[in-house]
Amino acid sequence: EVQLLESGGGLVQPGGSLRLSCAASGFTFSNFAMSWVRQAPGKGLEWVSTITGSGGSTYYADSVKGRFTISRDNSKKTLYLQMNSLGADDTAVYYCAKGRGATVTKLYFDYWGQETLVTVSS
Amino acid sequence: QSVLTQPPSVSGAPGQRVTISCTGSSSNIGADYDVHWYQQLPGTAPKLLIYGNNNRPSGVPDRFSGSKSGASASLAITGLQAEDEADYYCQSYDNSLSGHYVFGAGTKVTVL
Repeated sequence: EVQLLESGGGLVQPGGSLRLSCAASGFTFSNFAMSWVRQAPGKGLEWVSTITGSGGSTYYADSVKGRFTISRDNSKKTLYLQMNSLGADDTAVYYCAKGRGATVTKLYFDYWGQETLVTVSS
Repeated sequence: QSVLTQPPSVSGAPGQRVTISCTGSSSNIGADYDVHWYQQLPGTAPKLLIYGNNNRPSGVPDRFSGSKSGASASLAITGLQAEDEADYYCQSYDNSLSGHYVFGAGTKVTVL
């Protein structure tokens, strides 16, 4: 059974940093791209970032480019999201999601974690 | 404002058929990229409902179906049930400079 367990969320001041983690199990972690998707309170889903299975390629939404860094440790089956220069607009629940699809352009998210809440406020 | 346009809400009585549209542009759906659909029940994480325009993952009832034509896609729910009350999101790939994966703003399905 595929399981994705996020952690690391919390309350952080504007301009601060936070690192999210997502522990994966139930599948061959290194074989699949992984992503972060967020959802602001009462809003829709927003794709944040994706990393390929090997970790060799990363992709970011414009809204986080230069501030967030996605990474993975395949030996630990763990996905990370380092978030710097956080602002109020980053307040959201963050989901990690397992990717599926033959190519980057065909990627979709077949399993989702349960979420971790990030609140940016003074 | 989302790159993919969905109606904010649709409703139907139990047993009826409802459809949710997802309209894109020449940089995403119209460029022949696949459309995927997700269901988000209240207070839960999204769940994959349809992938690759019209494919259902194992365990998804055949009451749910997807289609795509040109720069638009649709999700149909036939035999609407109370448990289908949820938010539904379409997703595709976008080849513009601004991003890779895009979602619609979501459609709230209400079972009357």
